Amino acid sequence: DTGVSQDPRHKITKRGQNVTFRCDPISEHNRLYWYRQTLGQGPEFLTYFQNEAQLEKSRLLSDRFSAERPKGSFSTLEIQRTEQGDSAMYLCASSLTLGQGYGGELFFGEGSRLTVL
Amino acid sequence: KNQVEQSPQSLIILEGKNCTLQCNYTVSPFSNLRWYKQDTGRGPVSLTIMTFSENTKSNGRYTATLDADTKQSSLHITASQLSDSASYICVVSAETGGFKTIFGAGTRLFVKA
Repeated sequence: DTGVSQDPRHKITKRGQNVTFRCDPISEHNRLYWYRQTLGQGPEFLTYFQNEAQLEKSRLLSDRFSAERPKGSFSTLEIQRTEQGDSAMYLCASSLTLGQGYGGELFFGEGSRLTVL
Repeated sequence: KNQVEQSPQSLIILEGKNCTLQCNYTVSPFSNLRWYKQDTGRGPVSLTIMTFSENTKSNGRYTATLDADTKQSSLHITASQLSDSASYICVVSAETGGFKTIFGAGTRLFVKA
């Protein structure tokens, strides 16, 4: 399978615990994105990497959230001291460098669904 | 402010019928517009992508149109099937040196037998 893969697909945790999600992008894609999606809403941008550099972070990404892409390949998204409001689907996507025209098409993984009790 | 608005919020149709979903955007400067299909609990999958110079693009029973002057797009689904039940998300990217891709909230389509 050469698509974007995310792990785990589902995570149930108690409030206050830390959770970590992993994303493996399409191998030749240099950009990797994290989104959060709640029921009935479109994905909300959290952060993105170009290779190993984290180039932009949304205001949604509080201090409890941290993302890394240490070698420019896979990425992790960690949420510390989870809150019930963190319950959502966390989507990862990858793309080639955004450019004009057709550039930057996003290929999404299946998502990691987080439930905080 | 860069925004993408979709209508209707949800739609119920009978199997075999056609439907049209709408997308209005204010993203500038415009680079491209994509429609994604998202099944419940799955990641979005791209259906069509259009640049400024294109005003229609088809993918099987899905046909997207784009009017760059009025900043409107539509997604027309022909002869709907039960498997078309999903959320359809309009996504607009800005032509900029940085990253700017704006997602609509989606239209939830229910196809009934």
